[in-house]
Amino acid sequence: KAGVTQTPRYLIKTRGQQVTLSCSPISGHRSVSWYQQTPGQGLQFLFEYFSETQRNKGNFPGRFSGRQFSNSRSEMNVSTLELGDSALYLCASSLPAGGPSNTQYFGPGTRLTVL
Amino acid sequence: AQTVTQSQPEMSVQEAETVTLSCTYDTSESDYYLFWYKQPPSRQMILVIRQEAYKQQNATENRFSVNFQKAAKSFSLKISDSQLGDAAMYFCAYRTPNTGNQFYFGTGTSLTVIP
Repeated sequence: KAGVTQTPRYLIKTRGQQVTLSCSPISGHRSVSWYQQTPGQGLQFLFEYFSETQRNKGNFPGRFSGRQFSNSRSEMNVSTLELGDSALYLCASSLPAGGPSNTQYFGPGTRLTVL
Repeated sequence: AQTVTQSQPEMSVQEAETVTLSCTYDTSESDYYLFWYKQPPSRQMILVIRQEAYKQQNATENRFSVNFQKAAKSFSLKISDSQLGDAAMYFCAYRTPNTGNQFYFGTGTSLTVIP
């Protein structure tokens, strides 16, 4: 099976712009989670989508949003970019919650730099 | 609130030797799962090993094993016969079915393998 794919891998934006990141989960996986990774804050949970619905949300401002499509692909959007949004954004897919087999498998990440 | 603590920001080990990375967690849940992920310089998060809290037997995957002490809320990772390819950042993670697929990560331990 192909792994989790994320596009683009690298992105440079300027403050005030908006950005959209894409994630394609492993075939058969219907849950997609997003994380932000920074040197100072580590890995922080952004949100999780399952069956096109946001099922869980971390403590991030409303500038961070996401959605999931019927084929389980997910996008996250960050509006009005700030310098502090520079980070590695990781997407992870898994089977629906409920069992010990529910392990998250991560994509390679999108490195976002805000200038 | 669930928290995961990794008290060793950096560790080093001689090639072929054994090293143990520490992790403690705080939870009031009785049903949960614990994971160790590896993040090499490529930034791809790779699952190393996982442990179900209801299992008393410690998980083992080849050279990787865990010491799970449920009462002490401790979940350490032992790497035997360390190899150069083991050099990476290691993250301990926790998940409970009550929070869906949201994983809580520790701050990571950077492992250096000395030839």
